[in-house]
Amino acid sequence: RKEVEQDPGPFNVPEGATVAFNCTYSNSASQSFFWYRQDCRKEPKLLMSVYSSGNEDGRFTAQLNRASQYISLLIRDSKLSDSATYLCVVNGDMKGFQKLVFGTGTRLLVSP
Amino acid sequence: DTGVSQDPRHKITKRGQNVTFRCDPISEHNRLYWYRQTLGQGPEFLTYFQNEAQLEKSRLLSDRFSAERPKGSFSTLEIQRTEQGDSAMYLCASSSRRREGREGEQFFGPGTRLTVL
Repeated sequence: RKEVEQDPGPFNVPEGATVAFNCTYSNSASQSFFWYRQDCRKEPKLLMSVYSSGNEDGRFTAQLNRASQYISLLIRDSKLSDSATYLCVVNGDMKGFQKLVFGTGTRLLVSP
Repeated sequence: DTGVSQDPRHKITKRGQNVTFRCDPISEHNRLYWYRQTLGQGPEFLTYFQNEAQLEKSRLLSDRFSAERPKGSFSTLEIQRTEQGDSAMYLCASSSRRREGREGEQFFGPGTRLTVL
């Protein structure tokens, strides 16, 4: 079983749609959680951190359920520029540094 | 440009040759990471430096791989006797524990795409 599992998609949605991505992780001791965005043939960039209380950044909302070891990302009012791969990321090490464990990514395609 | 830089951006080599990649992190960052990414997969952790000390190595890093960060600034990743399975994007990232802002943010470089023929 992979440490971080995501549906690879692709998710094809029209502009203005709301889309949700889910992710599960296997290491119950994980402390930090993130969503990264990766455009085609580009490097990953941090989209947002994920907190237990849930957090929102504009059109993006992230939720964490520690009991179920489940992370979600909701994108409202999708834009063409949201087309990218969204990587669910977990801090997989307890030695005080950020050993990031990435899921395979979920590909989003937003069409006009 | 004060971001993470990597050189070269692309490398094509023949099986059995040695290759070396360079990463220049953001100047005030003391933490440096190497990852490998293959098509359709997320990046996989390879190794981690805090200043010049290599503190963690993944099981993915076979004996043919070696990484250094001699003065705690730039880092090199060398692959000896390359194999076709080494073909991938090699990503470098840096971070600073003291950096204000979003906790845990690693800044990635553009990567070096390696093709082994």
